[in-house]
Amino acid sequence: DAGITQSPRYKITETGRQVTLMCHQTWSHSYMFWYRQDLGHGLRLIYYSAAADITDKGEVPDGYVVSRSKTENFPLTLESATRSQTSVYFCASKLAGDYNEQFFGPGTRLTVL
Amino acid sequence: AQSVTQPDIHITVSEGASLELRCNYSYGATPYLFWYVQSPGQGLQLLLKYFSGDTLVQGIKGFEAEFKRSQSSFNLRKPSVHWSDAAEYFCAVASNSGYSTLTFGKGTMLLVSP
Repeated sequence: DAGITQSPRYKITETGRQVTLMCHQTWSHSYMFWYRQDLGHGLRLIYYSAAADITDKGEVPDGYVVSRSKTENFPLTLESATRSQTSVYFCASKLAGDYNEQFFGPGTRLTVL
Repeated sequence: AQSVTQPDIHITVSEGASLELRCNYSYGATPYLFWYVQSPGQGLQLLLKYFSGDTLVQGIKGFEAEFKRSQSSFNLRKPSVHWSDAAEYFCAVASNSGYSTLTFGKGTMLLVSP
């Protein structure tokens, strides 16, 4: 099916472990985004990418690493997970251009014990 | 920097009653504004967007929003709420540097009573 997918949908890990969340889109959108959603904070931007090999920090980038070697994939890595990174993570994508909206994936619920 | 305020954390509306969700933004120029809806356990879905022109914009599922520059507001409305509208609603403004990223409000949870 076309669209934007995230994997895994649920993940439990331990403090200090490395975790990678995957995001894949089939629309060839140039822009991709990672957000985290926490109660009382809404969605906050972690990182975004304007194209393959171009990434930039968002509001809350500390503790996260991203890469984008292919247009369709935008993995998010927590190099050493902390409990404060327990959250729901959403990936989104959009076409280039001011008037285009972002399309969101279903989310990954991450629990760090 | 731009910001979005949604003053109401929760709102309860009776089924069939009208709805208005408030959104205030802070932005230096002409804002690009969005309303998204998130059903439980789901991602976000775009309801409507405003860029320019007519200040009353129509969206999906019978929603509309009105842009009022003098009040820095972009309130979402629906004349008659259905039980399936129960969800969390987010207002967002595009960044003032390239319009590529969004700043979201903290959301308003809509509860629909029978």
